[in-house]
Amino acid sequence: GQQVMQIPQYQHVQEGEDFTTYCNSSTTLSNIQWYKQRPGGHPVFLIQLVKSGEVKKQKRLTFQFGEAKKNSSLHITATQTTDVGTYFCASNTGKLIFGQGTTLQVKP
Amino acid sequence: DSGVTQTPKHLITATGQRVTLRCSPRSGDLSVYWYQQSLDQGLQFLIQYYNGEERAKGNILERFSAQQFPDLHSELNLSSLELGDSALYFCASSPHQSGTGNEQFFGPGTRLTVL
Repeated sequence: GQQVMQIPQYQHVQEGEDFTTYCNSSTTLSNIQWYKQRPGGHPVFLIQLVKSGEVKKQKRLTFQFGEAKKNSSLHITATQTTDVGTYFCASNTGKLIFGQGTTLQVKP
Repeated sequence: DSGVTQTPKHLITATGQRVTLRCSPRSGDLSVYWYQQSLDQGLQFLIQYYNGEERAKGNILERFSAQQFPDLHSELNLSSLELGDSALYFCASSPHQSGTGNEQFFGPGTRLTVL
């Protein structure tokens, strides 16, 4: 079945540094969704990308969908302590196929 | 607050036992999804119901079953529990049947500990 690989597993950054997490699939994705899970919380939807090469921004967060629709990235500029959590990409085929997640820790 | 509720928040039980987890979707949502989150397996889709009918199945064990009732709440039944069933179980809901490309709203989860 469809699998989504996500790297890195963990990332520790100093507050103010940038952060990027990457998702890859061996098959073409119809869409990619991104979710954030705060420590002790539940996944919360951030955004969905559907078009080849699509780029969307939410304040300091930039989401990209690859031209071949096989990869995606989430980039956070100038991280803040409020960005702490685990970021998941997911392919939505009716059910969500999640990547393994990248846990971000931010040192103040 | 996503509008999805799950009870109980925590459940501690012994191996071999049976438990029931309950989920109420957001008002108006007809689809309910169950996911299991464990350290080694990550977030795994278990099963989906739409308006009372099973729509999709994932990596759900035969010891597990679910149903969705006429009032749209759903229950996940886990039986013959094993230590490896200890995990966070999330319920999510969405308005649509197919769900493809639609946002899912997650509940707070039930943390199951099997001793």
